[in-house]
Amino acid sequence: ETGVTQSPTHLIKTRGQQVTLRCSSQSGHNTVSWYQQALGQGPQFIFQYYREEENGRGNFPPRFSGLQFPNYSSELNVNALELDDSALYLCASSLAMGDTEAFFGQGTRLTVV
Amino acid sequence: KQEVTQIPAALSVPEGENLVLNCSFTDSAIYNLQWFRQDPGKGLTSLLLIQSSQREQTSGRLNASLDKSSGRSTLYIAASQPGDSATYLCAVDDYKLSFGAGTTVTVRA
Repeated sequence: ETGVTQSPTHLIKTRGQQVTLRCSSQSGHNTVSWYQQALGQGPQFIFQYYREEENGRGNFPPRFSGLQFPNYSSELNVNALELDDSALYLCASSLAMGDTEAFFGQGTRLTVV
Repeated sequence: KQEVTQIPAALSVPEGENLVLNCSFTDSAIYNLQWFRQDPGKGLTSLLLIQSSQREQTSGRLNASLDKSSGRSTLYIAASQPGDSATYLCAVDDYKLSFGAGTTVTVRA
């Protein structure tokens, strides 16, 4: 049990729609990161938030956006869904940026049809 | 750009055999390296964290080494059990985690 929870666990959306995924971090963890994991691959970094500010972004288009809230919860929003967005989305929380252990949630499986 | 490679991609061993999983990375400017376990369709479970100043870390039957200068880490699992069957991922932390594609391990009873 990592203390990081994600919702929903599974989701099916239609191409062109918008989706919001949610994550609740461990209390006291100021950093949350989101990752996309396609089938058979390692997770890819989407972006990271530290104290409600985005402070790093991977190679993902602007239609991937996020928010972090003071209560250690966060959201990943994806607009204009594409078939290739089908993946497992993982959030990870940690005490600080870099040099601390990351704890992952169980993931949200998104299927775009 | 950090590149992380894991070899082999898959491994099948009989119960009781020791496992050796390899991870290499291209940029040695890292804070730490983490090994994770992932069961099918599930999230990641942290196994070991090795700080950049450390050479190895141990937890029960698991031992991980880190050679930052050569960009390599090895995860050893002693006396494997069927419950060890999973995908093992290594990730290097340079403020974000960069992952390898994983090694899928099957331990046969």
